[in-house]
Amino acid sequence: DGGITQSPKYLFRKEGQNVTLSCEQNLNHDAMYWYRQDPGQGLRLIYYSQIVNDFQKGDIAEGYSVSREKKESFPLTVTSAQKNPTAFYLCASSTILHGTAAHSYNEQFFGPGTRLTVL
Amino acid sequence: AQKITQTQPGMFVQEKEAVTLDCTYDTSDQSYGLFWYKQPSSGEMIFLIYQGSYDEQNATEGRYSLNFQKARKSANLVISASQLGDSAMYFCAMRPRGQAGTALIFGKGTTLSVSS
Repeated sequence: DGGITQSPKYLFRKEGQNVTLSCEQNLNHDAMYWYRQDPGQGLRLIYYSQIVNDFQKGDIAEGYSVSREKKESFPLTVTSAQKNPTAFYLCASSTILHGTAAHSYNEQFFGPGTRLTVL
Repeated sequence: AQKITQTQPGMFVQEKEAVTLDCTYDTSDQSYGLFWYKQPSSGEMIFLIYQGSYDEQNATEGRYSLNFQKARKSANLVISASQLGDSAMYFCAMRPRGQAGTALIFGKGTTLSVSS
């Protein structure tokens, strides 16, 4: 079955540690995204990538890093520089359409999420 | 600035009743897409419905319909015949510039509670 997997489901981090959240998709999507969700809040964009070996910062990129070495994978590292990392992290992917098709429906598919807690 | 506003933190409805969840958006783009997602307590994001800014008709998907009023910049979600399983958080989101492969901008969400 095609879809997006995220691991682990729950992650605990000690102060000063870097941790990496995994995101894999087998939908053959070009674009991948990382969002952060705080309790009772909407999703905020951390990073996104439209092609292998290229990615762009979102609204809250400070304290995070990403890589896109393979089309299927877009891991997110939460560094010790992120002062308040406790949150729910969602990975998503989508196709990229061009020209007039770019205005068409184009759903973002989401993974099940990783809940990160700082101890 | 591009923005999505959902003014209802929580909504309560009884089974079989219809409910409208409000969403207004702010953009200067002529081409954009509007999405509604459902997030149950498990955390997964479930796509419900999409409306493109050039679509002349309101989108419908089963019990979900989108009341799209472009001049007022509103895209309200209407759920008909509510079910207990509809209890969840609902997010309105916008894809700016009409470009697929662009990240979504989300509102803060509305928590819907359906009672029997």
